[in-house]
Amino acid sequence: KQEVTQIPAALSVPEGENLVLNCSFTDSAIYNLQWFRQDPGKGLTSLLLIQSSQREQTSGRLNASLDKSSGRSTLYIAASQPGDSATYLCAVRGRDNTDKLIFGTGTRLQVFP
Amino acid sequence: NAGVTQTPKFRILKIGQSMTLQCAQDMNHNYMYWYRQDPGMGLKLIYYSVGAGITDKGEVPNGYNVSRSTTEYFPLRLELAAPSQTSVYFCASSYSKLTQETQYFGPGTRLLVL
Repeated sequence: KQEVTQIPAALSVPEGENLVLNCSFTDSAIYNLQWFRQDPGKGLTSLLLIQSSQREQTSGRLNASLDKSSGRSTLYIAASQPGDSATYLCAVRGRDNTDKLIFGTGTRLQVFP
Repeated sequence: NAGVTQTPKFRILKIGQSMTLQCAQDMNHNYMYWYRQDPGMGLKLIYYSVGAGITDKGEVPNGYNVSRSTTEYFPLRLELAAPSQTSVYFCASSYSKLTQETQYFGPGTRLLVL
């Protein structure tokens, strides 16, 4: 059974720092891995989607990497800003017919001025 | 496009009451999903549907029912509310199971069962 773990559970950093969020998964047979952002009281917004054949994806100040063989992904946020404060969730899509996502428990990020 | 919409935003239920959480999408997506998110936890799949008239159980289906009579709507029914069903419920949709597709999420329904 696929399990997804995120470390750390919470992170508080001053504005401007570069930071790394970690995601690990137990079954390497995945189609892809996604990183989502969740703001308090809101739904999830997809940030980056990495296919199983890819090593990384970039969008602006965000860079996500994928090492499928070791069951790991990292989300790198450059030059963090207070507006980056949110919970970040990673999710993997397994190789079945349902398009189901298995989510990690999230990292709650606070960036203070 | 409104995307994925959910109603109500917040609801308090007494133990044993029933209610239906509404979900609609206007993107003509075939796939729709219901997740629940407990405090400090990730999302867990309750039920999903791959098209009108087709539904299937996810990880945590007990205590819930769904129906999918049209492409647009995917309501979630709680028949006998229990405190363990206190959670935030998210509906999501996607066009297909193509691996390049992301799922689009609604804003959530916060449910409190007392």
